[in-house]
Amino acid sequence: NAGVMQNPRHLVRRRGQEARLRCSPMKGHSHVYWYRQLPEEGLKFMVYLQKENIIDESGMPKERFSAEFPKEGPSILRIQQVVRGDSAAYFCASSPGTGGTVRMLNTEAFFGQGTRLTVV
Amino acid sequence: RKEVEQDPGPFNVPEGATVAFNCTYSNSASQSFFWYRQDCRKEPKLLMSVYSSGNEDGRFTAQLNRASQYISLLIRDSKLSDSATYLCVVKRVLTHSNYQLIWGAGTKLIIKP
Repeated sequence: NAGVMQNPRHLVRRRGQEARLRCSPMKGHSHVYWYRQLPEEGLKFMVYLQKENIIDESGMPKERFSAEFPKEGPSILRIQQVVRGDSAAYFCASSPGTGGTVRMLNTEAFFGQGTRLTVV
Repeated sequence: RKEVEQDPGPFNVPEGATVAFNCTYSNSASQSFFWYRQDCRKEPKLLMSVYSSGNEDGRFTAQLNRASQYISLLIRDSKLSDSATYLCVVKRVLTHSNYQLIWGAGTKLIIKP
């Protein structure tokens, strides 16, 4: 059972370009969380998605950022017109979505290895 | 005030010592709790879940105090390899079948030889 897969591991973009970050959750997981982490800082929640639904996007910047988790395929975090301040590590985590409330509450989230975005 | 708070540290501790740190949470509806460990430039990995009765895994002991709304992590006989950032996570039901994870910013631990 492969873990959470993120690609690319490293991404370099020039200012103004688009960045697409992909996250394939663990098999059987239907919940995906995206986080951003700046050097020497903690994880900053961005968005929480289930298949075809955005559950909570309270951490997403209002402009240039979008996320989706289609019925088929990985979750995508898209950053349009990147700026230097977007340079960070972007992690996604997945957790299962079925099994009953008690089981779900006691099940941890699993992280991918992250995508390190550098905007030059 | 953040919903989940941790002392950012760093905690500088000599090898072999015992170290403990807490994590406080403000929402009494929080239902489950975890400690994660994050090494520099790596992804967070689960260290241990925190159970109501407290639990131990080798040199690590986790405790939950619901009345005072905090969880703690105790590391005994610390090793150089314990140097990392320790993140606490609170999980609760958001809506039916949706679960929110609230992360602390982490406590940095440095074990010195």
